[in-house]
Amino acid sequence: SAVISQKPSRDICQRGTSLTIQCQVDSQVTMMFWYRQQPGQSLTLIATANQGSEATYESGFVIDKFPISRPNLTFSTLTVSNMSPEDSSIYLCSVRGQERSSTQYFGPGTRLLVL
Amino acid sequence: KNQVEQSPQSLIILEGKNCTLQCNYTVSPFSNLRWYKQDTGRGPVSLTIMTFSENTKSNGRYTATLDADTKQSSLHITASQLSDSASYICVVSATNDYKLSFGAGTTVTVRA
Repeated sequence: SAVISQKPSRDICQRGTSLTIQCQVDSQVTMMFWYRQQPGQSLTLIATANQGSEATYESGFVIDKFPISRPNLTFSTLTVSNMSPEDSSIYLCSVRGQERSSTQYFGPGTRLLVL
Repeated sequence: KNQVEQSPQSLIILEGKNCTLQCNYTVSPFSNLRWYKQDTGRGPVSLTIMTFSENTKSNGRYTATLDADTKQSSLHITASQLSDSASYICVVSATNDYKLSFGAGTTVTVRA
């Protein structure tokens, strides 16, 4: 199993500012994912962050808005840039083992409110 | 497009009663199906994972079934407890894609 922690757990931010969310895993993992969960919605994949390579972004998400760092196999950051109220959401870090049948573990999430 | 649909959207049950949640999917080629429990303000936690060859799997009072022919799954909660109040998410993966397809979830409220 993997234990994932995220910082901050929640934040209230002003429009136009940026917030960096940290994700720490208690074991080395190759594949790390960032998801967004808007109120009442299911999870939407923002990007896949593999160590040693550029993050791969899903349709509708761009690096300028959501820059990601993955400096090692246990840590990643997601920055939400130039925030607007539409960015208010829960942001979740997630990891999975190499096998397709591996359990995918999720962090506790960062609850973001943009005013 | 791979899709996962869950029903009902929400339900309320009395403590001690049973309930069943449904999941239909169109993900192909199918690899596995997972059920997650997400408490309010927390990240999803895995309950079960089933591959093509498995048609039932239990985790305590949670029992998941899978019919790969009809592309349907269910999650049965037995003798519900107040702590079962949460959102239950059905997640399906395809063999040719590392990404997961998420259902919108069923919100279960257990009342005393």
